[in-house]
Amino acid sequence: GAVVSQHPSWVICKSGTSVKIECRSLDFQATTMFWYRQFPKQSLMLMATSNEGSKATYEQGVEKDKFLINHASLTLSTLTVTSAHPEDSSFYICSARGPTGGVAKNIQYFGAGTRLSVL
Amino acid sequence: AQSVTQPDIHITVSEGASLELRCNYSYGATPYLFWYVQSPGQGLQLLLKYFSGDTLVQGIKGFEAEFKRSQSSFNLRKPSVHWSDAAEYFCAVAALKLSFGAGTTVTVRA
Repeated sequence: GAVVSQHPSWVICKSGTSVKIECRSLDFQATTMFWYRQFPKQSLMLMATSNEGSKATYEQGVEKDKFLINHASLTLSTLTVTSAHPEDSSFYICSARGPTGGVAKNIQYFGAGTRLSVL
Repeated sequence: AQSVTQPDIHITVSEGASLELRCNYSYGATPYLFWYVQSPGQGLQLLLKYFSGDTLVQGIKGFEAEFKRSQSSFNLRKPSVHWSDAAEYFCAVAALKLSFGAGTTVTVRA
């Protein structure tokens, strides 16, 4: 149980275009999802917290207009990188907080990540 | 504020040898502690967690970790390493958010 699917796994785009990344909780409802960015050989940096039906909460220094987050359902959150530039190239990982009602609500389950390359 | 320190950036271990990865945390209350493993180009997989109770916790893939409150540590161990254990390992502490250590890269030599 508690599987998180992230799509696509790899995307290449031209500078100036927008890219959408999807994060789905496959076998549970996730009221809270998280988006992280990871640079090579580094740890994960939290970008934003996504709550179903409300606006995302962004970490300091993360541009809201650059990284649009939508959490329209209990199983889907999307991250759109708008007007992407080469400096946005990175590994993006989503996670979902486990189902409520037990200890799993304190656990984050991670997707496999999306490698974005902006040319 | 919560924080996690993984003192070892890179560890090389022979296949079949034991492995210990260190993790120290800073948090005012009893923390929720996690170890995750990341293979190259992949997401994070939960190895084990500590919430309360028995301070020695068992996880998947033969890993275990021991919570020591007096030392603010949550070290990960495996008695006999397999080549497939080569990966990046992250310790994390959860309060309002999940805070990760910098990670430890494990290389397994034949």
